[in-house]
Amino acid sequence: DAGVIQSPRHEVTEMGQEVTLRCKPISGHDYLFWYRQTMMRGLELLIYFNNNVPIDDSGMPEDRFSAKMPNASFSTLKIQPSEPRDSAVYFCASSSWGQGNTEAFFGQGTRLTVV
Amino acid sequence: GQQLNQSPQSMFIQEGEDVSMNCTSSSIFNTWLWYKQDPGEGPVLLIALYKAGELTSNGRLTAQFGITRKDSFLNISASIPSDVGIYFCAGRTGNQFYFGTGTSLTVIP
Repeated sequence: DAGVIQSPRHEVTEMGQEVTLRCKPISGHDYLFWYRQTMMRGLELLIYFNNNVPIDDSGMPEDRFSAKMPNASFSTLKIQPSEPRDSAVYFCASSSWGQGNTEAFFGQGTRLTVV
Repeated sequence: GQQLNQSPQSMFIQEGEDVSMNCTSSSIFNTWLWYKQDPGEGPVLLIALYKAGELTSNGRLTAQFGITRKDSFLNISASIPSDVGIYFCAGRTGNQFYFGTGTSLTVIP
């Protein structure tokens, strides 16, 4: 399995622009998580999906952030408009509940810089 | 959200030394996980623990799920330079994973 795939790996954008981050979870996994990592706050859960349905989005910082999962193999995290304080590394992770033993597997992340 | 206290925050050790780090929580978890993150990469799963008291090894790594289900430790024996990185603990409760703040490990050759 190729693992969790995220794109792009790096994104530099100007303040006010729309940013879209993409994630392909591991095939067969029914949970997908979006995390943000910064030096100050560590790994923060933004939102997670189960079977493509958003379950908990309480970690989404503002209305500027939105996430979708149109099908089991694709999810996006969008920031519109972006601000410099959104600069961070954004990780997508997926997990499977079915077997009872569950671990979260991470993608390589998207490093976002908003200037 | 759940708070995981991970210590130490950073470690500087000589190659060949053993390393120990731990995580504690005020809440009970059903699963404890340990990850390693290299610079510019995502966290990679090292060890998963599913039962209170469970002791699991993965090469030079050993981790234990505390009896109270509120803590876990990770030991690395005979450290080598490639052990450098940030180690995170994570606890799972329900469908969510909660992460510690990380232990930065530096191995001096």
